[in-house]
Amino acid sequence: AQSVAQPEDQVNVAEGNPLTVKCTYSVSGNPYLFWYVQYPNRGLQFLLKYITGDNLVKGSYGFEAEFNKSQTSFHLKKPSALVSDSALYFCAVRADNYGQNFVFGPGTRLSVLP
Amino acid sequence: DAGVIQSPRHEVTEMGQEVTLRCKPISGHDYLFWYRQTMMRGLELLIYFNNNVPIDDSGMPEDRFSAKMPNASFSTLKIQPSEPRDSAVYFCASSLFWGGQGADTQYFGPGTRLTVL
Repeated sequence: AQSVAQPEDQVNVAEGNPLTVKCTYSVSGNPYLFWYVQYPNRGLQFLLKYITGDNLVKGSYGFEAEFNKSQTSFHLKKPSALVSDSALYFCAVRADNYGQNFVFGPGTRLSVLP
Repeated sequence: DAGVIQSPRHEVTEMGQEVTLRCKPISGHDYLFWYRQTMMRGLELLIYFNNNVPIDDSGMPEDRFSAKMPNASFSTLKIQPSEPRDSAVYFCASSLFWGGQGADTQYFGPGTRLTVL
């Protein structure tokens, strides 16, 4: 079975400070990992993904994430937060041997304070 | 491309009525997904299609829900009869699968907010 955990419901950070949104996963095969962002009354937007290769993945809007196999984590990071980064962030995973069955985490609400 | 298109954006109906949600995927995409989002359960995968064929419908909550994809550019999700607990935001997403690359990026529509009274 596949599962994704986002241990923090809410993350607050001051504008200009670095931010981290945490994600851990569990899959039976090799993981394909994704981060999506959702703004109010909008669909999810793709940020970045890890399939294979370099453990540090760079994505849209200055976000990056590091795949850590030993800790089964894929934390989202940004060196300097913007107020406009405030949104709901979802981590998702699927196993390479389980079709296209994606599992999304519960989401973490990020608030960047001016 | 206009992205994934969903209609209607909002639907309010009474318990027992039939509801049909519509989705037009991005042209050329060969996977289509239906999700449901609620505060209690988060984002749930209901069903997905590959080349218009349903591959996994294990997420469909019960027989009242059905989904079809008669062609590559159109899919429907139908609820009959609807119940208040079906109230949620329903998202459609599509993706293009490259065999060598594996998992691909899903592009989501804006969603349909369903309220069943």
